Formats: sequence, C-alpha cells, structure tokens
Amino acid sequence: GAVVSQHPSRVICKSGTSVKIECRSLDFQATTMFWYRQFPKQSLMLMATSNEGSKATYEQGVEKDKFLINHASLTLSTLTVTSAHPEDSSFYICSAVHYNEQFFGPGTRLTVL
Amino acid sequence: AQTVTQSQPEMSVQEAETVTLSCTYDTSESDYYLFWYKQPPSRQMILVIRQEAYKQQNATENRFSVNFQKAAKSFSLKISDSQLGDAAMYFCAYRNQENTGNQFYFGTGTSLTVIP
Repeated sequence: GAVVSQHPSRVICKSGTSVKIECRSLDFQATTMFWYRQFPKQSLMLMATSNEGSKATYEQGVEKDKFLINHASLTLSTLTVTSAHPEDSSFYICSAVHYNEQFFGPGTRLTVL
Repeated sequence: AQTVTQSQPEMSVQEAETVTLSCTYDTSESDYYLFWYKQPPSRQMILVIRQEAYKQQNATENRFSVNFQKAAKSFSLKISDSQLGDAAMYFCAYRNQENTGNQFYFGTGTSLTVIP
C-alpha cells in the first residue's frame, strides 16, 4: 500500500529557532502533499497545499513566511517552522494523495520551549 | 465552500454491539468522494472506508459499512461487532473530483469509546 513517512516524530526546540519537518512518500510519487496542524482533541486544520515544482498554496490565516514549504521532488515535501514560539507547539501531519485517496504520515509533535 | 458536519462529539458502544456515527456535508457538486478516517491514540490517520458519489451502492469493508444518502447529503458509518481496537477518533471527509482540486474537507470528529 501507499506509505507516507514523517521525520522527526518528535522535536523539542527553543523559542526563536527553526525546525524542519520532512514528509516522504515511500512507494509512490506525489505531486501534491498537504500539511495539517492538529490541536488536542480537535480536527485537522489544513495549513497549506504543497505542489511539486511550484509554490505552496497557503490557507487563509497561515503565515507563509513563518511556515516555509518546499516540495523539491515527487517524494519529498518539507515544512520549516521559522523562529518558532511556544504557540507553534502542536501536532503537524502531512499527507499525500494517491489514486484519489489521501495517505497520512504518522505526524510530528513539536514542542517549543 | 464545502463543509462537513459531525454532530456527535462523543459516542460509546458496548463491545460486540453496533454503533453508527453520523456525518452530513454540504456541496453543490454532483461528483465527489467521501471518506471515513480513524485516528487511534497513536494519532496515525487510517482510512476506514471510501465512497464515490456516483455509486449508489453503499461501500462495505468487513465490519464497517456506510449509509450514503446523496439527496440528504448524509454519510453515516456503521461499525458492527465493535472491538476494543475500534476505540478512536473518527473523521468524516469530503473531496471534490480530481480535476477540481485535491483538497479534503474534514469534520470535527467523533470520539468513540468501546466499553468491554
């Protein structure tokens, strides 16, 4: 089946530093990947759509300069949280579309001290 | 914009019994896809079942089945013979046809507890 990996699974960083999260489709190519943010006991909030070879499309209210997305290849998208602050602490999930289905990575828990 | 509504924040079911989770959606499209995803405590999202809107037959996957009512824009999930491993958050999701965008719209989720 289609597998999506995310790395790291957990990261703790100091306020003001930047953190990069990788999302990989392991056994298929994905021209489109999504990045979500999920708060405890809440639904997934779409942050941006990552398109291979072009700029990401950000949802309203998501700062593109803070959440940098790079989709440099058909199997890799990265999300960089720049100058992270405690309010950026959350669970970040990526997904990739394959044959009209969306396959999710296992998520990354970011804690900003 | 499409919206997906799950009106049951929490549900519980006795082990081996049947439970139905509700989902309604709003769209002006005629062709689309509907999904149920499960998110266990590990937080890994797992596809449970999918339904293409053009198909009248309700999708079934082992103990999981849906009641798709297109005119009513309703897409409920029935879990039969509930097992302890079914305990999780369940999200209903909607997606337009491929040529109109890949974006998925999620409901707010239903937390299912299975009572031994």
